[in-house]
Amino acid sequence: GAVVSQHPSRVICKSGTSVKIECRSLDFQATTMFWYRQFPKQSLMLMATSNEGSKATYEQGVEKDKFLINHASLTLSTLTVTSAHPEDSSFYICSTRLYTDTQYFGPGTRLTVL
Amino acid sequence: GESVGLHLPTLSVQEGDNSIINCAYSNSASDYFIWYKQESGKGPQFIIDIRSNMDKRQGQRVTVLLNKTVKHLSLQIAATQPGDSAVYFCAEIGITGANSKLTFGKGITLSVRP
Repeated sequence: GAVVSQHPSRVICKSGTSVKIECRSLDFQATTMFWYRQFPKQSLMLMATSNEGSKATYEQGVEKDKFLINHASLTLSTLTVTSAHPEDSSFYICSTRLYTDTQYFGPGTRLTVL
Repeated sequence: GESVGLHLPTLSVQEGDNSIINCAYSNSASDYFIWYKQESGKGPQFIIDIRSNMDKRQGQRVTVLLNKTVKHLSLQIAATQPGDSAVYFCAEIGITGANSKLTFGKGITLSVRP
């Protein structure tokens, strides 16, 4: 499978600030990455599909101006939560897809907004 | 809309026993199914997958069964160990290929009693 890393693993910020989360594909070039959000004791919900060199595709109900996604290289996608509020506190997880449909996930980033 | 769901929220098994985790899906067009294991505070880990043209697939200590007639998926874990304690998600893909997206079920917690 693919090896995916995320940074930071945990972040605490004040309400109104912006937070950037990095997702790296360590062992292959990923043209497509995915961003998910997971609230406690719930399943993963797809937020957006990140495509290298083009705009991300957002799922219905996800604000693209609030969750900025940049996929500038084949190994790095970033998610920026702008003007974060306590309701944005969640576990954010990225994934990459190999040549098949299987997705491999990063370790996740725990965001806490005070 | 279409959804993937699990029958039971929790499952408690004795160490050494076999575990069976069930999942129902409603999209009859789904072509590809994956089981993931998620430990607390970590990202989902790929366990095993199966395509719709198969009924059974075996891995190391795990077996996935697919019954397309009743749209049912199950994960069998042989000789369950304490390290198997986690939340298990089934996920399905309705359209494979470049535009494929995963839809996750609700998740079931497997608790292994020593």
